[in-house]
Amino acid sequence: DAGVIQSPRHEVTEMGQEVTLRCKPISGHNSLFWYRQTMMRGLELLIYFNNNVPIDDSGMPEDRFSAKMPNASFSTLKIQPSEPRDSAVYFCASSWGGGQADTQYFGPGTRLTVL
Amino acid sequence: LAKTTQPISMDSYEGQEVNITCSHNNIATNDYITWYQQFPSQGPRFIIQGYKTKVTNEVASLFIPADRKSSTLSLPRVSLSDTAVYYCLVARTGGGNKLTFGTGTQLKVEL
Repeated sequence: DAGVIQSPRHEVTEMGQEVTLRCKPISGHNSLFWYRQTMMRGLELLIYFNNNVPIDDSGMPEDRFSAKMPNASFSTLKIQPSEPRDSAVYFCASSWGGGQADTQYFGPGTRLTVL
Repeated sequence: LAKTTQPISMDSYEGQEVNITCSHNNIATNDYITWYQQFPSQGPRFIIQGYKTKVTNEVASLFIPADRKSSTLSLPRVSLSDTAVYYCLVARTGGGNKLTFGTGTQLKVEL
């Protein structure tokens, strides 16, 4: 299996622009997680889906952030409008099972820089 | 929500055994303890998971006392390639809580 695939790997944009991050989970996995990692705040869970349904989005920082999972093999995280404080590495992870204790497989991450 | 506390950093030398302890005083009955490893510029990677007593796999051992308020990840005979950040997580099956990775423990292994 190719593992979790994320695109793009690097994104540089200007403040106010819309940013879309993409994730393809491991085939057969039914849970998908979006995380954000910064030096200051560490690794934070933003949202997770189970069977394509958002289960917990309490980590989404504000309305500028939105996530969708239209099918079992694709998810997007959108930031509109982007701000410099959104600069971070965004990870997508997937797992088999409905619980957060299930082993998560992480993608390589997308490094976002907002100027 | 089970909060975890780990040392910020640890140093070791090649060939030594390293033990990283995590405190999770308010762990719930159906919570599991999981450890992940993260190298620079990579996503975290699962190492080991346990519920109680001792669990061992090909890379590590996990020791959990009877009260489950702490756990210790043991890495036997570390090498330079074990230099990474190690995260302790407490999470339950079936969801229902916000998964928190915390700041992790930066392990540095030297010659």
